Amino acid sequence: GENVEQHPSTLSVQEGDSAVIKCTYSDSASNYFPWYKQELGKRPQLIIDIRSNVGEKKDQRIAVTLNKTAKHFSLHITETQPEDSAVYFCAASKGSARQLTFGSGTQLTVLP
Amino acid sequence: NAGVTQTPKFQVLKTGQSMTLQCAQDMNHEYMSWYRQDPGMGLRLIHYSVGAGITDQGEVPNGYNVSRSTTEDFPLRLLSAAPSQTSVYFCASSSGQFAAFFGQGTRLTVV
Repeated sequence: GENVEQHPSTLSVQEGDSAVIKCTYSDSASNYFPWYKQELGKRPQLIIDIRSNVGEKKDQRIAVTLNKTAKHFSLHITETQPEDSAVYFCAASKGSARQLTFGSGTQLTVLP
Repeated sequence: NAGVTQTPKFQVLKTGQSMTLQCAQDMNHEYMSWYRQDPGMGLRLIHYSVGAGITDQGEVPNGYNVSRSTTEDFPLRLLSAAPSQTSVYFCASSSGQFAAFFGQGTRLTVV
């Protein structure tokens, strides 16, 4: 089955700096890659996603890049703010069943 | 439009007891799934459904049953609770546009 590895497990940045979280996946058939943000005690919330026919997608301060050849994708957050502090999960999915395989998460802390 | 609703939010069970976690969505989504979240392990898929009457196993299905009699509801049943099933359970639904939306979660403790 699919295996998704996520790095780093913890990341601390100064407010205003950029943060990058990286994920690799094993199944070349995976074609959908979402990123979720989870605040303490809350549900995961989709922040951005990308499909395999696209190399990069941006939404304001957040961007995701995908390298299908290398089977890795990354989340980039620019101009970080304290409210960006949370756990971020990457995931991969293939086919029509919408099954998601998640990475183990990155605890992002933005220091004021 | 409430999205995905899970009940209960918290539950304590004794080993061997059974219970059903409820999940309902009002977005007319075809796809529904159950995940469990354990510290340091992300979310793992338990069971999923691609439509009413159709269910299948995910990565960690042992000890759980599901059914999908309607588009809206996808209950998760614990047959005989074990301490290893202590976890936070999330239900999710998605449409043909892939994006999955999660319920608020059920925190289950088995003692």
